Amino acid sequence: AQSVSQHNHHVILSEAASLELGCNYSYGGTVNLFWYVQYPGQHLQLLLKYFSGDPLVKGIKGFEAEFIKSKFSFNLRKPSVQWSDTAEYFCAVNAEWVTGGGNKLTFGTGTQLKVEL
Amino acid sequence: GAGVSQSPRYKVAKRGQDVALRCDPISGHVSLFWYQQALGQGPEFLTYFQNEAQLDKSGLPSDRFFAERPEGSVSTLKIQRTQQEDSAVYLCASSPGRDRGRQKTQYFGPGTRLLVL
Repeated sequence: AQSVSQHNHHVILSEAASLELGCNYSYGGTVNLFWYVQYPGQHLQLLLKYFSGDPLVKGIKGFEAEFIKSKFSFNLRKPSVQWSDTAEYFCAVNAEWVTGGGNKLTFGTGTQLKVEL
Repeated sequence: GAGVSQSPRYKVAKRGQDVALRCDPISGHVSLFWYQQALGQGPEFLTYFQNEAQLDKSGLPSDRFFAERPEGSVSTLKIQRTQQEDSAVYLCASSPGRDRGRQKTQYFGPGTRLLVL
């Protein structure tokens, strides 16, 4: 079974500070990795995704994430946050090459980010 | 194009009442998923359809929960004899394809917030 851990539940940063949100997963096989963002009052939106290839992936709004297979990690980063980045961030994983139940996403508990002016 | 839509957006039910939640996936998307999101938690998988076939219902919490997608497009999640612990946001997601790579990216609807009194 897959599981995802997000260690930071609440993060408060000032504008222009750098951001790194941790995500670790447990699964023995090949995985696809995702970060979703939920802005206040809005639905879950895809921020970025990793399937294969370059382990450093770039997403929307200046976000990037690095897949480190040996550490089972997929941390989200942004060099300089803005007030508009205030949102909840979810890391998710699904299994590659598995039919049926392997398609489901397993989510972490989320990280609430607040960016102060 | 249009995203995933869900209705109703909010539902208040009395304990013991039956409810039906509707999901319209992105046109042409083969796969459809239902998730349950409790307050302060990440979404948790309920069930998965590939076209009209329900391939995984391992996440349904009890036999009071039932989902269908009879024509491979619109889906309905039904909860019978609602209980207070059913209060949550119910999310629907769709993805373009079946089991490989980028076809597995899931796009989420706005959710239905269910409150059982």
